[in-house]
Amino acid sequence: QQQVKQSPQSLIVQKGGISIINCAYENTAFDYFPWYQQFPGKGPALLIAIRPDVSEKKEGRFTISFNKSAKQFSLHIMDSQPGDSATYFCAASMGGSARQLTFGSGTQLTVLP
Amino acid sequence: DADVTQTPRNRITKTGKRIMLECSQTKGHDRMYWYRQDPGLGLRLIYYSFDVKDINKGEISDGYSVSRQAQAKFSLSLESAIPNQTALYFCATSGSGTGMQPQHFGDGTRLSIL
Repeated sequence: QQQVKQSPQSLIVQKGGISIINCAYENTAFDYFPWYQQFPGKGPALLIAIRPDVSEKKEGRFTISFNKSAKQFSLHIMDSQPGDSATYFCAASMGGSARQLTFGSGTQLTVLP
Repeated sequence: DADVTQTPRNRITKTGKRIMLECSQTKGHDRMYWYRQDPGLGLRLIYYSFDVKDINKGEISDGYSVSRQAQAKFSLSLESAIPNQTALYFCATSGSGTGMQPQHFGDGTRLSIL
């Protein structure tokens, strides 16, 4: 049972373009939604996170958009760079941010130079 | 220097063998987690521990066991390894304070079971 569905599975974007990755969740008790970035040979690292009381959070070129009524959230990477090429995972948890994370299936992003 | 260290980084073994994966952390965090990563499935939680005396099963605990030897050490064991346990395994830690406490991951152990 996949409680967090992520799409697309892979994404190719030109340098300078916008990368958009989408996630949808089922459990309305989720109250913390982080995005993790993973480079080959490394563990995932927190990129940005949001709570459901806000609809958008921006950190540099990375923005999370959150739609509570649709139970969807997305990651937008503006001015995508080759160094952004990595696998991105959305996740969700309930009852606090450091409890069990339920991950999406991941999106492999390739930014072409 | 890595704050969350996993050993070994790679392991190839045979079906039926007992295997232990180790995780140590210097972050001073109370909470530790073990995940496995499979292509197309993301990361799935195996076990987690909120302190030395607390052990909890995750989504996919069957076939695995854990030991929290100290605040800084959390090991994962496969008592009798089977090929479908071939995966990338990650240890993570987090603080227990209020507010958003991110999980910090090690660099993983790639386990192959023949």
